[in-house]
Amino acid sequence: DAGITQSPRHKVTETGTPVTLRCHQTENHRYMYWYRQDPGHGLRLIHYSYGVKDTDKGEVSDGYSVSRSKTEDFLLTLESATSSQTSVYFCASRVRGQGTNSPLHFGNGTRLTVT
Amino acid sequence: QKEVEQDPGPLSVPEGAIVSLNCTYSNSAFQYFMWYRQYSRKGPELLMYTYSSGNKEDGRFTAQVDKSSKYISLFIRDSQPSDSATYLCAMGDQTGANNLFFGTGTRLTVIP
Repeated sequence: DAGITQSPRHKVTETGTPVTLRCHQTENHRYMYWYRQDPGHGLRLIHYSYGVKDTDKGEVSDGYSVSRSKTEDFLLTLESATSSQTSVYFCASRVRGQGTNSPLHFGNGTRLTVT
Repeated sequence: QKEVEQDPGPLSVPEGAIVSLNCTYSNSAFQYFMWYRQYSRKGPELLMYTYSSGNKEDGRFTAQVDKSSKYISLFIRDSQPSDSATYLCAMGDQTGANNLFFGTGTRLTVIP
C-alpha cells in the first residue's frame, strides 16, 4: 500500500442513519478517489478530489457526499444509508491525474452493511 | 453494453501452468491499460501498466494490448499458489475526467 489507511474496516448500520468513512494517506498525493465494489459491477467511482476543497462527482454519486479539508484526508458521507449502499468501499490516491503515468494506489477497504 | 468486459471465471489451474486473463473494451479512446491483483479482503494492487499497443513483460507477467481488436491480456507463466487472487483490468483515456474503467475481475485459483 502507498500509505492509505481506511477507517473503520467494518461497519454495520441501520437504514436511515448517516455514516462517514475516512481515508487517510501519507504520500502527499494530490488526487484521491472513493470507489465502491459490488459483485457483477466491479469498481465504480463515487466521488474524487483533485485538491483540497476541490471535488467532483463520479459514476454513482447519488446519496453520497465528500469533503477534503486537508491533503491527507478524504471523507465519504452517506447522508441517509440505504440497503443498496451495502458494499465494500475503497479509497485510492495518485500523485498526478488522468492521462499521466501515475497509477492508482488503493487502501484495504471498508466493508459496510446497512440493515 | 459495459465499457469493459471481463470473464469473471472462476479459473482453476495447476501450479506451473500458463494463465491467460483477458478483457475487451468498446471505447477506442482508451490509451492506457492496467492490471490489478486483489487478494481476498484487500485492496487492489497494481501489477502492470501499459500505454498503447504491444507487449510488456515483468518477471513472470506479460501484458499484451491489441488496440485494433480492443482486447487486452495478462499472461502469467509458471503460476504459483500465491498467484491465487482476483485480477482486475482497468483502462482510461488521455483526457478522461479522472476516472478509470474497471472490469469486474477474474478469480484465479492455482492448485498446488
